[in-house]
Amino acid sequence: RKEVEQDPGPFNVPEGATVAFNCTYSNSASQSFFWYRQDCRKEPKLLMSVYSSGNEDGRFTAQLNRASQYISLLIRDSKLSDSATYLCVVNRVTGANNLFFGTGTRLTVIP
Amino acid sequence: NAGVMQNPRHLVRRRGQEARLRCSPMKGHSHVYWYRQLPEEGLKFMVYLQKENIIDESGMPKERFSAEFPKEGPSILRIQQVVRGDSAAYFCASSPGQPDQETQYFGPGTRLLVL
Repeated sequence: RKEVEQDPGPFNVPEGATVAFNCTYSNSASQSFFWYRQDCRKEPKLLMSVYSSGNEDGRFTAQLNRASQYISLLIRDSKLSDSATYLCVVNRVTGANNLFFGTGTRLTVIP
Repeated sequence: NAGVMQNPRHLVRRRGQEARLRCSPMKGHSHVYWYRQLPEEGLKFMVYLQKENIIDESGMPKERFSAEFPKEGPSILRIQQVVRGDSAAYFCASSPGQPDQETQYFGPGTRLLVL
């Protein structure tokens, strides 16, 4: 079983739509969770960390459910510039810093 | 403040040649990580280094691959006797260490093509 699993998509949504991505992780000892964004042929860039209490940054909301080993990302009011691949990332042990990446969910926002 | 720098950005090698990929971490960062991304796949951890030390190389193939992060100069990922399956994007990331040890900042990557 993969360490991190994501629906690869693609998700094609119109501008202004709300879209949600889900991710599951296999190791219950995982400590830290992140969403990264990767544009085509570019490096991953940290979008946001994911905390147990959930957190929000503008139009982006991340949630963590440790019991179900499930992470989500919600994007409201989608913009064309949101088109990218969204990577679910898990750090198994705090401080060990080995990041495990999902294969990513591709989002295309359509005008 | 310059970000993580990698060079070359693109590298073409013939089978059997050596590939050397360089990574200069962000200023003030002492931790370096290498990841490989095969086409249509996620990034896979390869190795984690601090200055002059390999901390975790659990993701490195057992043969032909090596990494170093000397006291002076960039981190080097070296692939000897490259094969076509080594064609991939190789990303380097750096982090500052304690207390913000977890956030990793990625370089633009080196795209290796083996002919």
